[in-house]
Amino acid sequence: EPEVTQTPSHQVTQMGQEVILRCVPISNHLYFYWYRQILGQKVEFLVSFYNNEISEKSEIFDDQFSVERPDGSNFTLKIRSTKLEDSAMYFCASSGRASGSPSLFVQYFGAGTRLSVL
Amino acid sequence: DAKTTQPNSMESNEEEPVHLPCNHSTISGTDYIHWYRQLPSQGPEYVIHGLTSNVNNRMASLAIAEDRKSSTLILHRATLRDAAVYYCILRDAQGGSEKLVFGKGTKLTVNP
Repeated sequence: EPEVTQTPSHQVTQMGQEVILRCVPISNHLYFYWYRQILGQKVEFLVSFYNNEISEKSEIFDDQFSVERPDGSNFTLKIRSTKLEDSAMYFCASSGRASGSPSLFVQYFGAGTRLSVL
Repeated sequence: DAKTTQPNSMESNEEEPVHLPCNHSTISGTDYIHWYRQLPSQGPEYVIHGLTSNVNNRMASLAIAEDRKSSTLILHRATLRDAAVYYCILRDAQGGSEKLVFGKGTKLTVNP
């Protein structure tokens, strides 16, 4: 069964450093997402991406965050200058088919990248 | 997205049925009811969704009240692998928002 792949599984970085979290969505999917989950808290939406641009973003997704689909298979989340409070599990998801409301598409999640900011 | 209310936790025994309730009294006519679950140390996983009629798939059944103000996710025979946090999420078919809004969900413990 196709799956969403995220690398690395665990990333440790120093405060102020840039990190890039990588995801390979399911190959025929059109919509891509990043969510995060701080330890013990709810899963929170960060951003959605369709047709090579951001379609929706949350208040969390400020100027320190950016997303990119550099080569048609990878989907990346960059945090420019990490803060202690960025420590969390980051989940990539993908969904979609060619027609229908995207609000109804099933989202398939990766296993996550645990980001630890020291 | 309209809000849902779920119990914080539930417990079941292995191989017994589990009924996970969800209240959504402010549901609108175009809201679909989605269920996802999150196994320990995993990303969320789709379980099932429905609009008005009861739905079945290989993982579970979804029973929707006639007034749609509540629904129940049914696991017919719980296994240890079903221990997870279960999320009931409303998604507006006309709203266009793609994001999933997760609440705290129900943490299901399955006893051997």
